[in-house]
Amino acid sequence: DSGVTQTPKHLITATGQRVTLRCSPRSGDLSVYWYQQSLDQGLQFLIQYYNGEERAKGNILERFSAQQFPDLHSELNLSSLELGDSALYFCASSTGPEETQYFGPGTRLLVL
Amino acid sequence: SQKIEQNSEALNIQEGKTATLTCNYTNYSPAYLQWYRQDPGRGPVFLLLIRENEKEKRKERLKVTFDTTLKQSLFHITASQPADSATYLCALEHDYKLSFGAGTTVTVRA
Repeated sequence: DSGVTQTPKHLITATGQRVTLRCSPRSGDLSVYWYQQSLDQGLQFLIQYYNGEERAKGNILERFSAQQFPDLHSELNLSSLELGDSALYFCASSTGPEETQYFGPGTRLLVL
Repeated sequence: SQKIEQNSEALNIQEGKTATLTCNYTNYSPAYLQWYRQDPGRGPVFLLLIRENEKEKRKERLKVTFDTTLKQSLFHITASQPADSATYLCALEHDYKLSFGAGTTVTVRA
């Protein structure tokens, strides 16, 4: 158990819908990262927050947004969902940027 | 363009042998490189980090080398066990981001 929690574990929704994925980092970790893992793309970095501020951005679609709250938990919002958004979404946390990342169990999203 | 390549998608070895995985990269200058293990349907688990000024790092039966001239890292699992069967990912740090290779799936036969 990494200490990172993600909810929900599974999510099934329809195209065009909007979902919110939630992540609670390990106690004391200030950095939160979001990744998308699909069969054809591998593990792709989406976005990083450090102590509430956006720190780095990857190839995150404009339909996706995220934030980190004062209590350091983070949410990833996915809107106007498409079939291709079906994937595993992982959250990771670390004590700070450039430190070892600890991954959560992931949220499996299926868009029908 | 930037690229991270792991030598093969799958590696099948006999228990007790050494598994050697390769990670090659182009157009990166990482300050460090990491190796993760991922089991099906689960999040990656950190194994080892090696910095650009380190040639080799060991942890129990695992060994990692890092050659910044060749732009290559080798990951060795010695005295392999069936429990080592998993997908192994290399990851490079750049601009506060981690970019991952596609992974190599290792299967250790008893």
